[in-house]
Amino acid sequence: ETGVTQSPTHLIKTRGQQVTLRCSSQSGHNTVSWYQQALGQGPQFIFQYYREEENGRGNFPPRFSGLQFPNYSSELNVNALELDDSALYLCASSNQQGLYGYTFGSGTRLTVV
Amino acid sequence: TQLLEQSPQFLSIQEGENLTVYCNSSSVFSSLQWYRQEPGEGPVLLVTVVTGGEVKKLKRLTFQFGDARKDSSLHITAAQPGDTGLYLCAGVNQAGTALIFGKGTTLSVSS
Repeated sequence: ETGVTQSPTHLIKTRGQQVTLRCSSQSGHNTVSWYQQALGQGPQFIFQYYREEENGRGNFPPRFSGLQFPNYSSELNVNALELDDSALYLCASSNQQGLYGYTFGSGTRLTVV
Repeated sequence: TQLLEQSPQFLSIQEGENLTVYCNSSSVFSSLQWYRQEPGEGPVLLVTVVTGGEVKKLKRLTFQFGDARKDSSLHITAAQPGDTGLYLCAGVNQAGTALIFGKGTTLSVSS
C-alpha cells in the first residue's frame, strides 16, 4: 500500500503571494489533516477534512484554507503569504478520524522571502 | 484550546542510560499517540494508547496512558545512539476532529 505523498517538496515564495500544497492520502484513508511545523518544534494543527468536509480547525487565520477531493486527496491553500508562514507543512491521513494513528507525508518546506 | 505539555524539551544522555518523557494535559483525549521524527521526514507513529491505564511495550520502549486519559509517558530502557531523534506525543480530541501535538522532546544519545 502506498503512503502519503506531498508535493512539492520545497517551495520559495514572495511575501503577499499565494501558494497551493498538495497531498495524496494513503489508500483506504478518508481523513486528511494538515500541520505547520517550525524547526525543532511539534507540529501545529491547521485543519482536518473527513469525507470532503472540514470537521476541525486549529488557531490559524482564514487565509489558510483547504479542500478534500472525492479520492480523499487534499490541498492546502495559503493566501497573502507572510514571512512567518515559512515552515514545514505536513499532511497526514487516517481512517476512523485518526483514533488509532496517522500516516504522515515527508512535508513541503515553504520559504517566504 | 486543548494543550499537551511535553517534558523535557531536550535530553542528552549516554548510551545505556534510561529515560522518561512526560506528556500532560488538563483535557481528556480519545487516544494518545507517540511519534518519532527524523530530520527532513514526517513523524512516524510508534504507538497508540486508547484505554485509561493502558501500557504498551515496543522492544525497549514502554508507553503508558494515564487512568484519566489526560497524560502519558514514554520510558526508554538502555538507550542506544539509534534512539536519537525528536519524540512527539499527540492526542486526538474527544470529538475526533483534531490531533494536538506537544512541543516535542529532542533526544540525543551518545556512545
